[in-house]
Amino acid sequence: GNSVTQMEGPVTLSEEAFLTINCTYTATGYPSLFWYVQYPGEGLQLLLKATKADDKGSNKGFEATYRKETTSFHLEKGSVQVSDSAVYFCALNSRGSTLGRLYFGRGTQLTVWP
Amino acid sequence: GAGVSQSPSNKVTEKGKDVELRCDPISGHTALYWYRQSLGQGLEFLIYFQGNSAPDKSGLPSDRFSAERTGGSVSTLTIQRTQQEDSAVYLCASSSGRSTNEKLFFGSGTQLSVL
Repeated sequence: GNSVTQMEGPVTLSEEAFLTINCTYTATGYPSLFWYVQYPGEGLQLLLKATKADDKGSNKGFEATYRKETTSFHLEKGSVQVSDSAVYFCALNSRGSTLGRLYFGRGTQLTVWP
Repeated sequence: GAGVSQSPSNKVTEKGKDVELRCDPISGHTALYWYRQSLGQGLEFLIYFQGNSAPDKSGLPSDRFSAERTGGSVSTLTIQRTQQEDSAVYLCASSSGRSTNEKLFFGSGTQLSVL
């Protein structure tokens, strides 16, 4: 079946610290992988995605590389800001599944202090 | 509209009552999804509409849950005889419906509390 496991939160960092949020998956077929972010009081929004092995998704200083050999899609940022405080969700869409249907992890709360 | 709109933003109800949650998708989006986010859990897929096709209801947890989409636009999720375990944030999302890897646009959700 399809599932996503991401690291438990909450994660608390100081501004300019390095961020890693781990995400691993199981999937039938060849999934596409996503990171969504939910800022306080807002809806989820796509942060980045990768559609095939070794692809790197990037946006707003965040990066994640699709690693088929380790079935992982870890989110990284070299220097976090207070404005990055949010809940981050790893997700997959397994080809052949419902168009657009995403399987989500439980989310990781990130808090960045100035 | 500018984004996906959901109403109400908060709903408190008594156990056994019926509730209706509304979603207005982005204009022109043919695909519409409902997800549920329970405390400490990930997002659970509930139902999916795509154009005029029969909806994929495979994620609905029981027959107390139903959803409809009128005129290919607004959708209503109905929960009958609510139970305390139905308490969650109900999220609606829409997309253009053109590809399997497209971005979903989410509303801010309806926080449902069943007392």
